[in-house]
Amino acid sequence: DTAVSQTPKYLVTQMGNDKSIKCEQNLGHDTMYWYKQDSKKFLKIMFSYNNKELIINETVPNRFSPKSPDKAHLNLHINSLELGDSAVYFCASSLNRQETQYFGPGTRLLVL
Amino acid sequence: SQQGEEDPQALSIQEGENATMNCSYKTSINNLQWYRQNSGRGLVHLILIRSNEREKHSGRLRVTLDTSKKSSSLLITASRAADTASYFCATEEQGGSEKLVFGKGTKLTVNP
Repeated sequence: DTAVSQTPKYLVTQMGNDKSIKCEQNLGHDTMYWYKQDSKKFLKIMFSYNNKELIINETVPNRFSPKSPDKAHLNLHINSLELGDSAVYFCASSLNRQETQYFGPGTRLLVL
Repeated sequence: SQQGEEDPQALSIQEGENATMNCSYKTSINNLQWYRQNSGRGLVHLILIRSNEREKHSGRLRVTLDTSKKSSSLLITASRAADTASYFCATEEQGGSEKLVFGKGTKLTVNP
């Protein structure tokens, strides 16, 4: 009965590879987010979707492409992975755009 | 751009003592939220205070908001070892994309 789940929990991959991280929420929320937390614990928003529509797209390289097949899912695909992409990626959801956000457990990505 | 700045960066106290963390921000906001992150885990929402509120309580937590000074404080009373975590403030900017902007966090250690 996990509220916001992410897979995989850990991802170790080589530079240049393409990988995807999946996120699902069973809270019935309309809005979902992707955040990146760097090694200094600084958390920065990357994308936000509301009812499958992209509403926030921060200055993120084109190699990162979010996809929302339905309101409950927001996946993150990363092409041509670079060393600097190593971080913890958090998915979150909220009932609507000005409410409390509920975070997933994070995906620890390490690019070698 | 970074909005919230927590102070102090790190705080170490004894069990039973109170812990106070401060957050300053730069722009007008819709609301300010405090989150907790245990080591290696996702963020957990603690409390949301709206721009027209001055104080809010939740159990042992007390949050104040001073919009004239653009600052907020989080007080944890009668701290426990289980309160050991990083605490982040996050502000939702007014009139923009309504994204949450997180500070760098305060690392709280409660010694038994």
